[in-house]
Order: sequence, then C-alpha cells, then structure tokens
Amino acid sequence: GENVEQHPSTLSVQEGDSAVIKCTYSDSASNYFPWYKQELGKRPQLIIDIRSNVGEKKDQRIAVTLNKTAKHFSLHITETQPEDSAVYFCAAGGGATNKLIFGTGTLLAVQP
Amino acid sequence: DAGITQSPRHKVTETGTPVTLRCHQTENHRYMYWYRQDPGHGLRLIHYSYGVKDTDKGEVSDGYSVSRSKTEDFLLTLESATSSQTSVYFCAIDRGGRYGYTFGSGTRLTVV
Repeated sequence: GENVEQHPSTLSVQEGDSAVIKCTYSDSASNYFPWYKQELGKRPQLIIDIRSNVGEKKDQRIAVTLNKTAKHFSLHITETQPEDSAVYFCAAGGGATNKLIFGTGTLLAVQP
Repeated sequence: DAGITQSPRHKVTETGTPVTLRCHQTENHRYMYWYRQDPGHGLRLIHYSYGVKDTDKGEVSDGYSVSRSKTEDFLLTLESATSSQTSVYFCAIDRGGRYGYTFGSGTRLTVV
C-alpha cells in the first residue's frame, strides 16, 4: 500500500521568511496530493492540493510542486506570518476509493 | 459544522469495554473515513466506506470495526478498548472537487 514520508518534523522560521515542507510517496498509482493545516485543538483543513497532471499550483503565498518521476511533492509558503504557525500534513491517494494516506506532519513555528 | 459532526467529543472508558463513536453527515457524500491521530504518527486510516454497507480496512484496523447502515452515519466500534487505543479520532467525508476531505471536530478518547 501507499506510504508517505514527510520532512522536516519541525520547522522554525522568522516572520517574512519562506518555509518548505517535503513529502515522498511510494505508490505510483497515487494521483491526488493535498496539504492540510491543523491549528492547535482544531480539525485539519485543506489549504491546497495538486493532481498528477499538473506540476505546480499556486494560491497567493502558498504553492505546491509535484515531481511524479521522483515521487515527491513539496509545500512552499512565502512571506510567512505568525498565523501560519500550525501543523501541516501532506497526503497522497486518489483512485477508486479516494482514500488518503497522510504524512506524519510538520510543526511550523513562525517567530515574530 | 461543515456538514459533518462527531459524537461524543470526549470520552473516558475502561479497558475491556466496548466503545462506539459516531460520525454523521448531512450532505449525502458517498465516501467516509475514520482516522486516528497520535503524536509522531500523524493521521492514520482505520477504516473507510464507499457506500451503504460497503466498507474496507485501512492501515491500522486491528481492534476496530465499522458499520454504515445509512448514508449519513458511519460508526466506529472498539470491540474491547485497550490503552493503546487512547487517541483523537477524526471522521472525514470526501466532498470531491476543490473541497477535498472535510474533517469532523474529532473525538478525544481516553482508555484507562
């Protein structure tokens, strides 16, 4: 089955700097790669996703890149702000059942 | 509530007792999922459903069973709770398209 690895587990940046979180997946059949943000005590919420027919997608300060050959995808946050502080999860999946396998999460701390 | 509610929100139970968690949706989505969240492990898929009476195992299904007798309800049962099942349990629905998964608010289960 699918296996998703996520790095780093913790990331601390200064406000205004960029942050990059990387994930690798194992199942070449996976075709959907979302990213979720989870604030303390809250539910995970979708922030951006990308499908296998696209190499990059951007939404304001957030972008995701996908390299299907290497089976890895990354989340890029530019001009970080304190409210970006949270745990971020990548996931891979899709297919007939749409099930997603998640990475282990990255705790991002943006220092003011 | 984003169309999905979980109950109870918190529960403390004793080792060896059966426990049932409920996930209820109001939007008639076909796919529903149960995940558990533990520090260092991220979100791990327990079971999922792709229709009424159609369910399948996820990554960590041992000790858990599920049922879906109606589209709107997906029940997770711990047949005989153990301390290793102390966790936060999230239900999710797949809303498709640009919405992706929507998670419930979670159930914090403590097995003593």
